[in-house]
Amino acid sequence: EDQVTQSPEALRLQEGESSSLNCSYTVSGLRGLFWYRQDPGKGPEFLFTLYSAGEEKEKERLKATLTKKESFLHITAPKPEDSATYLCAVQETSGSRLTFGEGTQLTVNP
Amino acid sequence: DAGVIQSPRHEVTEMGQEVTLRCKPISGHNSLFWYRQTMMRGLELLIYFNNNVPIDDSGMPEDRFSAKMPNASFSTLKIQPSEPRDSAVYFCASSFWSTNEQFFGPGTRLTVL
Repeated sequence: EDQVTQSPEALRLQEGESSSLNCSYTVSGLRGLFWYRQDPGKGPEFLFTLYSAGEEKEKERLKATLTKKESFLHITAPKPEDSATYLCAVQETSGSRLTFGEGTQLTVNP
Repeated sequence: DAGVIQSPRHEVTEMGQEVTLRCKPISGHNSLFWYRQTMMRGLELLIYFNNNVPIDDSGMPEDRFSAKMPNASFSTLKIQPSEPRDSAVYFCASSFWSTNEQFFGPGTRLTVL
């Protein structure tokens, strides 16, 4: 059974203080690892898909990386508007189901 | 692009009543997913469709839950009878083929009293 564990559960940063969120996964065969952002009262918003170890993708202050066992979401010089819950999910090669982690709730203080 | 549309946004009902949630996927997407999100269990896939055909319904919790997709632009999730433990936020998502990134709707917050 696929497992996805995200850490930390919550992270509080000062504006401009860079950090990383972790997503550890166990899957029999990885088709893709997905990162989403979720604001309160809204649906998850797609950020990135990573397909193979060593792959990196960037979008504004966010950079996602992937190894064979985990993914990191690096946030560089965050701003208060980056405050949200960040979810990662894995998809097996054998199917289309996404298995989500519990998320990391990020708060960036001005 | 209007994105995924869900209705209603909020639903409050009494135990035993029938609840129907509705979803309109993004035009051109051929895969549709229903998820449930709770504090205890996080985001869970209930069922998904490819080209209007149910492919995986292993996440549907009980026979009280049913989902249909009569055409490419409309899907329903029905709970009959509803119970307090069904209270959650229900999301619909769509994608161009089921292996691609999924785009989520705003969700329906269901409260069963």
